[in-house]
Amino acid sequence: QKEVEQDPGPLSVPEGAIVSLNCTYSNSAFQYFMWYRQYSRKGPELLMYTYSSGNKEDGRFTAQVDKSSKYISLFIRDSQPSDSATYLCAMSGNNRLAFGKGNQVVVIP
Amino acid sequence: GAVVSQHPSRVICKSGTSVKIECRSLDFQATTMFWYRQFPKQSLMLMATSNEGSKATYEQGVEKDKFLINHASLTLSTLTVTSAHPEDSSFYICSAPTPLASNEQFFGPGTRLTVL
Repeated sequence: QKEVEQDPGPLSVPEGAIVSLNCTYSNSAFQYFMWYRQYSRKGPELLMYTYSSGNKEDGRFTAQVDKSSKYISLFIRDSQPSDSATYLCAMSGNNRLAFGKGNQVVVIP
Repeated sequence: GAVVSQHPSRVICKSGTSVKIECRSLDFQATTMFWYRQFPKQSLMLMATSNEGSKATYEQGVEKDKFLINHASLTLSTLTVTSAHPEDSSFYICSAPTPLASNEQFFGPGTRLTVL
């Protein structure tokens, strides 16, 4: 089993829809959970960061962590064409940092 | 805010040549930097951890003599791809832990290497 599993998609949604992304992981040592957004041919940029189970909101973005199920999610409300990008989950702990494969999201105007 | 830069952003070279990629932390010091490689539609794969003042730590399967890393100062790490071959063509990205939260990473914009 891979450390981090993320369905690479792609995922197409109409503008204004809610985008739902998720990752599962197997390493219990992971304590910090991040979501990165990566535009084509660019480096990843940090979107959300959390270290506890529960929800964290930042504008249209909500990150959700369920440590008991080893499952994390990212929700994007009122999606915009500018949200079209690849979203990577990442998690770290015990001196390890692992990334998901990335989920390509296309928001159609 | 803190920024990590990379140079060059894109390089095309002939097979057998060596290519150096620079990673700089622009307004903070980074004793540790990370180098990743990303193939199309694949995740970031950690290649090595660059440590200022000491040898880099390489991930399993990454050739030390092929990918030379030098962390020359607290703001600069370089990755040299020696005797590059077409299979080395990839997107190389560096990152540095943020000053206030070491579990967060600032990523550079990446370097697209194409080996002909």
